[in-house]
Amino acid sequence: GIQVEQSPPDLILQEGANSTLRCNFSDSVNNLQWFHQNPWGQLINLFYIPSGTKQNGRLSATTVATERYSLLYISSSQTTDSGVYFCAVAWRGGSEKLVFGKGTKLTVNP
Amino acid sequence: ETGVTQSPTHLIKTRGQQVTLRCSSQSGHNTVSWYQQALGQGPQFIFQYYREEENGRGNFPPRFSGLQFPNYSSELNVNALELDDSALYLCASSSRAGVDTQYFGPGTRLTVL
Repeated sequence: GIQVEQSPPDLILQEGANSTLRCNFSDSVNNLQWFHQNPWGQLINLFYIPSGTKQNGRLSATTVATERYSLLYISSSQTTDSGVYFCAVAWRGGSEKLVFGKGTKLTVNP
Repeated sequence: ETGVTQSPTHLIKTRGQQVTLRCSSQSGHNTVSWYQQALGQGPQFIFQYYREEENGRGNFPPRFSGLQFPNYSSELNVNALELDDSALYLCASSSRAGVDTQYFGPGTRLTVL
């Protein structure tokens, strides 16, 4: 099956800093989503981005499908950005399931 | 538009018991997927239901079973609970299997003692 690797596993920032989270995947995908998991476990959709670039406020994401990676950019980070960020993919050769990476744990200090 | 809801929020069971978790999909969605998330890990796919039929299954034993109802809500049943079944169980709904955005509910936290 498809492999999904996220880096870095942990990231500590000061409020106001920018960051880039990376997701590498091992096969062609027809679905790629970025999620933020809050301390209560809720997975919040950030982007549906199997290819291209999208922006939403301080967040943006880029997926380069031909090179099998996606990047999530967080600018001017806030303490409320803390949590775990997951990348998840569904791949063309497999079933309809989402395969998740292990996540990046982001801590933003005031 | 109503989001994905799950019940109960928390549940404590003992080893060997059976449990049923429930999920109501977002309005307009006909596909429901279930995931298990152990502490410190990413969610793992259990199975998916599309229009009341199972549409894919992950690496989980047969004691994990499910149903989808005509209104597209869904149940996850786990028999003969084991300690390792302790996890956050997440339900996700989407309007088309596989290629569409999946929206997750708040989860049910199951503790098996």
